[in-house]
Amino acid sequence: AQSVTQLGSHVSVSEGALVLLRCNYSSSVPPYLFWYVQYPNQGLQLLLKYTSAATLVKGINGFEAEFKKSETSFHLTKPSAHMSDAAEYFCAVTESYGGSQGNLIFGKGTKLSVKP
Amino acid sequence: EAGVAQSPRYKIIEKRQSVAFWCNPISGHATLYWYQQILGQGPKLLIQFQNNGVVDDSQLPKDRFSAERLKGVDSTLKIQPAKLEDSAVYLCASSRIRQGVPNYGYTFGSGTRLTVV
Repeated sequence: AQSVTQLGSHVSVSEGALVLLRCNYSSSVPPYLFWYVQYPNQGLQLLLKYTSAATLVKGINGFEAEFKKSETSFHLTKPSAHMSDAAEYFCAVTESYGGSQGNLIFGKGTKLSVKP
Repeated sequence: EAGVAQSPRYKIIEKRQSVAFWCNPISGHATLYWYQQILGQGPKLLIQFQNNGVVDDSQLPKDRFSAERLKGVDSTLKIQPAKLEDSAVYLCASSRIRQGVPNYGYTFGSGTRLTVV
């Protein structure tokens, strides 16, 4: 069964500092992996997704993530945090399309705080 | 293009009452999903439709939850009777079907926040 583990329910960084949000997945087949961001009282917005092409994926708002099969990881990074990055971030997995209906399995989320 | 529309945005009901949520997906999106997001947790799939047929409802508490998508477009999720533990945000999402491309155009609505007191 697929699962996602996000390490750290709350991460706090200073403005301008590196953002690193950790995600490890478990899947018996090649996975497709996603990062979503959720601002208060809003729905989920896709940041980026890995679909078996390049292992380094660039997303919106300066975020990127690297798929590492050997580590079963898909950590999200941003070189320099901005106050507007404060939100909750969710990692999600689904199986490759041929064997999946496309529904997403989400981690529990990591709340990012950015200090001035 | 317009996004996924959900209503109401907020709802407060007493336990044992019934409640219904509505979702209108993006035009042309054949697949529609309902997720439940309890505070402090990630969203969990409740039910998935493709056109007007149910693809996956294995995690839907069928003794109290029901959902329909009669004409393959908009959808309604109902809870009857509600319990305190049903307090959550209910998210609707929709996507196209495109062979070989997962979650093509997958888009979430803003959700309905339900509080059961």
